[in-house]
Amino acid sequence: QVQLVQSGAEVKKPGASVKVSCKASGYTLTSYYMHWVRQAPGQGLEWMGIINPSGGSTTYAQKFQGRVTMTRDTSTSTVYMELSSLRSEDTAVYYCARSYDTTAYYDYWGQGTLVTVSS
Amino acid sequence: DIQMTQSPSSLSASVGDRVTITCRASQSISSYLNWYQQKPGKAPKLLIYAASSLQSGVPSRFSGRGSGTDFTLTISSLQPEDFATYYCQQSYSNSITFGQGTRLEIK
Repeated sequence: QVQLVQSGAEVKKPGASVKVSCKASGYTLTSYYMHWVRQAPGQGLEWMGIINPSGGSTTYAQKFQGRVTMTRDTSTSTVYMELSSLRSEDTAVYYCARSYDTTAYYDYWGQGTLVTVSS
Repeated sequence: DIQMTQSPSSLSASVGDRVTITCRASQSISSYLNWYQQKPGKAPKLLIYAASSLQSGVPSRFSGRGSGTDFTLTISSLQPEDFATYYCQQSYSNSITFGQGTRLEIK
């Protein structure tokens, strides 16, 4: 069965970086796109960007341009999202979610990774 | 970016009620509209894709309609497990956006 398993919770200081992983199983990583979506406490869903695991191409939301980097390791079927220059407003649960196309729906999601930014 | 506006923001209803949630896009998105259900502490779950297609395994009491800018999600007869937050999402543009969410509570 399809599973997206994310890395564990992180606590970071302002100005630091965080790298969250999302390991795919039950399907071929390169056959689907992977998106990252975050959700601040008590807030709605916010799209961060997309990576095509096949070639590694990425598109980032304008809000995160220059601070986010999405990469993949096809040998381990894992996608990564790194966010730098963290501030308190980046405290959120970060989700990976797959889609079959760049403009498609998300049929499977990871369980979420809580990133807390606090001094 | 395309703005997605849901109404109402919150809704109180009883088991067995029929409820409808509306989602409006700031420009036409054809049928590139998806609906998700989210329960506390859990990842969102896909209910409806392409405005009106029911995701596999989702009960038939959920239905979606609309195209262009105006869309609805209807639950025909609320069940206890349906009390959750619902989000619409447009996948028309390369910059994906979500509605702010509708919290469905027990009356």
